[in-house]
Amino acid sequence: KAGVTQTPRYLIKTRGQQVTLSCSPISGHRSVSWYQQTPGQGLQFLFEYFSETQRNKGNFPGRFSGRQFSNSRSEMNVSTLELGDSALYLCASSLGALRGGPEQFFGPGTRLTVL
Amino acid sequence: AQTVTQSQPEMSVQEAETVTLSCTYDTSESDYYLFWYKQPPSRQMILVIRQEAYKQQNATENRFSVNFQKAAKSFSLKISDSQLGDAAMYFCAHRKSSGDKLTFGTGTRLAVRP
Repeated sequence: KAGVTQTPRYLIKTRGQQVTLSCSPISGHRSVSWYQQTPGQGLQFLFEYFSETQRNKGNFPGRFSGRQFSNSRSEMNVSTLELGDSALYLCASSLGALRGGPEQFFGPGTRLTVL
Repeated sequence: AQTVTQSQPEMSVQEAETVTLSCTYDTSESDYYLFWYKQPPSRQMILVIRQEAYKQQNATENRFSVNFQKAAKSFSLKISDSQLGDAAMYFCAHRKSSGDKLTFGTGTRLAVRP
């Protein structure tokens, strides 16, 4: 099976712009979670989508949003970018069912730099 | 809320030796999962091992094993016969039995000396 894929791998944006990141989960996985990784704050949970519905949300401002499509692919959007949004954004997929495997499998990440 | 603490920012081990990475956590849940993830310089997060809280037996995966002490809320990772490819950042993570949110520790950077 192909792993989790994320596009693009690298992005450079300027303050005030918006950005969309994409994540394709492992085939058959219905849950997609997003995490932000920075040197200062470590790994922080953004949100989780399951069957096109946001099931869980972390403590991030409303500038961070996401969605999931019927094929389980997910996108994450950040509007009005700030310097502090520079980070590695990781996507993870899992079966998502309560009695399915609990493991999350991560993609390679998107490195976002805000200038 | 769950918290995960890794008190060792950096560790070093001689190739072929054994090293143990520490992790403690706090949760009010009785049913949950614990994981160790490895993040090499490529930044790809790789699952190393998982432990179900309801299982008393410690999980093992080849050279990797855990010491799970539920009452003490401790979950350490032992790497035996360390190899150069084991050099990476290691993260301990907690997940409730319901929901997919992972709560991570701050990580331990492991160096392997040849």
